[in-house]
Amino acid sequence: KNEVEQSPQNLTAQEGEFITINCSYSVGISALHWLQQHPGGGIVSLFMLSSGKKKHGRLIATINIQEKHSSLHITASHPRDSAVYICAAQCGTDSWGKLQFGAGTQVVVTP
Amino acid sequence: DVKVTQSSRYLVKRTGEKVFLECVQDMDHENMFWYRQDPGLGLRLIYFSYDVKMKEKGDIPEGYSVSREKKERFSLILESASTNQTSMYLCASSHPAQGDSWWDTQYFGPGTRLTVL
Repeated sequence: KNEVEQSPQNLTAQEGEFITINCSYSVGISALHWLQQHPGGGIVSLFMLSSGKKKHGRLIATINIQEKHSSLHITASHPRDSAVYICAAQCGTDSWGKLQFGAGTQVVVTP
Repeated sequence: DVKVTQSSRYLVKRTGEKVFLECVQDMDHENMFWYRQDPGLGLRLIYFSYDVKMKEKGDIPEGYSVSREKKERFSLILESASTNQTSMYLCASSHPAQGDSWWDTQYFGPGTRLTVL
């Protein structure tokens, strides 16, 4: 069983819709990462958070440490947001930063 | 901007061949990682290195070895490629944690899609 679970696996939205991706983890973490992977493979780090909420443009990431749950929200979605979004838990206090990855959520935003 | 580059975007090899995947980063990062990514399984750590000539096994090291002779370069080696090693391979690098911060951002390369026939 994967220690980091994401839902949904796939998501299709119309342009302008509000999108939420959920991530639950069962391990103790020091930080939670949200990554974006575009077609072709390149991965970009969107957020790294250990508490509360972070916002960057139309993207918002929240984390609830007690419930071991994080969400990534995309407001006013756009076709260029189409990508795979990956949640990754940074475990324990190892300084080299080992990550446990979720399987990813494929997001397609249609015009 | 941090830049992590990988030697090839696409690679096709035959079963039994020795395969080298190269990764170079230009930000003087101490940590470097090799992952493979497969549908439904997500990213899995193969090996990582926290210093020159230092390496540690990740979650799935079988069938792979690594080399880190210089700080900026981390190589993944498939001694005898097999069809079950067909996958997307991603390299990443990061600084180690600083002070009270136990976390740091990993920067990923563009990936190498390896097909073993």
